[in-house]
Amino acid sequence: GAGVSQSPSNKVTEKGKDVELRCDPISGHTALYWYRQSLGQGLEFLIYFQGNSAPDKSGLPSDRFSAERTGGSVSTLTIQRTQQEDSAVYLCASSRTGGNQPQHFGDGTRLSIL
Amino acid sequence: GESVGLHLPTLSVQEGDNSIINCAYSNSASDYFIWYKQESGKGPQFIIDIRSNMDKRQGQRVTVLLNKTVKHLSLQIAATQPGDSAVYFCAESVEYGNKLVFGAGTILRVKS
Repeated sequence: GAGVSQSPSNKVTEKGKDVELRCDPISGHTALYWYRQSLGQGLEFLIYFQGNSAPDKSGLPSDRFSAERTGGSVSTLTIQRTQQEDSAVYLCASSRTGGNQPQHFGDGTRLSIL
Repeated sequence: GESVGLHLPTLSVQEGDNSIINCAYSNSASDYFIWYKQESGKGPQFIIDIRSNMDKRQGQRVTVLLNKTVKHLSLQIAATQPGDSAVYFCAESVEYGNKLVFGAGTILRVKS
């Protein structure tokens, strides 16, 4: 596609439920990133993929968070047993090759935990 | 730790004036920097980037200046327009682009 696509755009769920967030990167981009943006805050790095491998998972807040990427394209971020502090906008970005290349962002998934 | 600091200013400018948004970064090893614009309900939009072997780079109506001596980055917007109203973030690349470290953002308001 022309840009990074994320779905759903909004997700409301009850505390304790699992959620899956999806990211379709720009076609041909090998690097994919997940960030989290809490209300009024900057962006916080979560995880980086190069192809289907995740060389850097250092930003994942807890073992309730996991992510995978398949076919060097689509990625899903899964949050298990959601907590209220997980409420945030989850943003995905991709770049052509990784390294010092511009990262292009989708519009995010706004996650609200009741 | 790594940090990129925007001191949360709200910058109000008159339409047609030039805007300057400033950013301090803390990691002297960072070698790549990006400015993003974020409008309400949207993801960050790439504006311009600069590598550490440069001290100035120009785009369309925008200029980024990098001062590595004092670890300072600025974004200049010429002839600011109402459509420029947004939150602006600077970000530094760490670990060779494996992640970006963002500041908290600066709100730019353009008065007509």
